[in-house]
Amino acid sequence: EIVLTQSPATLSLSPGERATLSCRASQSVSSYLAWYQQKPGQAPRLLIYDASYRATGIPARFSGSGSGTDFTLTISSLEPEDFAVYYCQQRSNWYTFGQGTKLEIK
Amino acid sequence: QVTLKESGPALVKPTQTLTLTCTFSGISLSTSGMRVSWIRQPPGKALEWLARIDWDDDKFYSTSLKTRLTISKDTSKNQVVLTMTNMDPVDTATYYCARLDSGWFDPWGQGTLVTVSS
Repeated sequence: EIVLTQSPATLSLSPGERATLSCRASQSVSSYLAWYQQKPGQAPRLLIYDASYRATGIPARFSGSGSGTDFTLTISSLEPEDFAVYYCQQRSNWYTFGQGTKLEIK
Repeated sequence: QVTLKESGPALVKPTQTLTLTCTFSGISLSTSGMRVSWIRQPPGKALEWLARIDWDDDKFYSTSLKTRLTISKDTSKNQVVLTMTNMDPVDTATYYCARLDSGWFDPWGQGTLVTVSS
């Protein structure tokens, strides 16, 4: 099983700041990585797939990068609605998720 | 517009079998390439993939849970059913169904919380 490790567990930032979230895979997943956003009481929403492609309707302030074992989700300038939990997911070898990064308001 | 919605009991007793139904619209599981999955999330914890069913009735399960899971589809009703046997309190979670699009879960249903308690 491919283990995805996200860091940090919690990220405290202010609106307008830049957020950088990390996801590391226990073995190479090529570019088969996605990012999801989950707000309290809601289902996850697909943000980024294939490491760097934004899903339909996702604002341009969200971007993804990386390949192999190291990936990054960047939110260029935080909006109030961006404070949520973010999960990465790989599809290289079945499907596994990271443990999540909570992005909270500082 | 693709929508999915989960339904099933909110409370089950230990050792019982859980049956959940995912009813969807905007897609058809008779369409080549269509896939639907179940994922769960214990309260305050991460997501865990459970099972997948394809348009051609291929079925795939999480290695750790495969002996307890059965996934099936009713194409005429636009439904996918998941059964999980021998429920335990550690199985308390929100259970989601989602379309699997090229390996990515999109969109998701709203989820249904299942509590396992006597």
